[in-house]
Amino acid sequence: GENVEQHPSTLSVQEGDSAVIKCTYSDSASNYFPWYKQELGKGPQLIIDIRSNVGEKKDQRIAVTLNKTAKHFSLHITETQPEDSAVYFCAASIAASKLTFGTGTRLQVTL
Amino acid sequence: EADIYQTPRYLVIGTGKKITLECSQTMGHDKMYWYQQDPGMELHLIHYSYGVNSTEKGDLSSESTVSRIRTEHFPLTLESARPSHTSQYLCASSEYRQGRYGYTFGSGTRLTVV
Repeated sequence: GENVEQHPSTLSVQEGDSAVIKCTYSDSASNYFPWYKQELGKGPQLIIDIRSNVGEKKDQRIAVTLNKTAKHFSLHITETQPEDSAVYFCAASIAASKLTFGTGTRLQVTL
Repeated sequence: EADIYQTPRYLVIGTGKKITLECSQTMGHDKMYWYQQDPGMELHLIHYSYGVNSTEKGDLSSESTVSRIRTEHFPLTLESARPSHTSQYLCASSEYRQGRYGYTFGSGTRLTVV
């Protein structure tokens, strides 16, 4: 089955700096890679996703890159703000069916 | 507004009790899932369904059971709750439609078995 590794497990950045979270996956058949943000006491919220036919996708301060050959994908958050503090999860699946999650990254944005 | 609803949000119950966690979605999604989330954050798939009368066990073994009698409803049942069942349970649904993937989570049920 699919295995997703995520690094780092914790990340502390100063407000205004960039944050990068990296994931690797094992199943070359995976073709859908969403990123979720989870705040305390809430369910995961989709923030951006990418399909395997695209190398990069951007939505305002958030971008995701995918390297299919290396089976790597990364989340980039620019100009971080305190409200970006949360736990972020990467995931991989085939056609948005069963998601296999990474282990999560706790992002802390300090003033 | 299309969404996915889980009830109750919090449940504290004694050992040996039978419980059912409710999950409903209004989006008409065929695929639904239950994930269990550890206190240390990791999410594990415990059950999934790709349509009415179809249920499968996920990657993480669980003593819970599920049913899918209606498209919009995917309840999870524990026949006899134990302290080891204490966790957060998240329901989700997904569909691929018109070239877009839609995958949505509920807010979760935090279960404590005492």
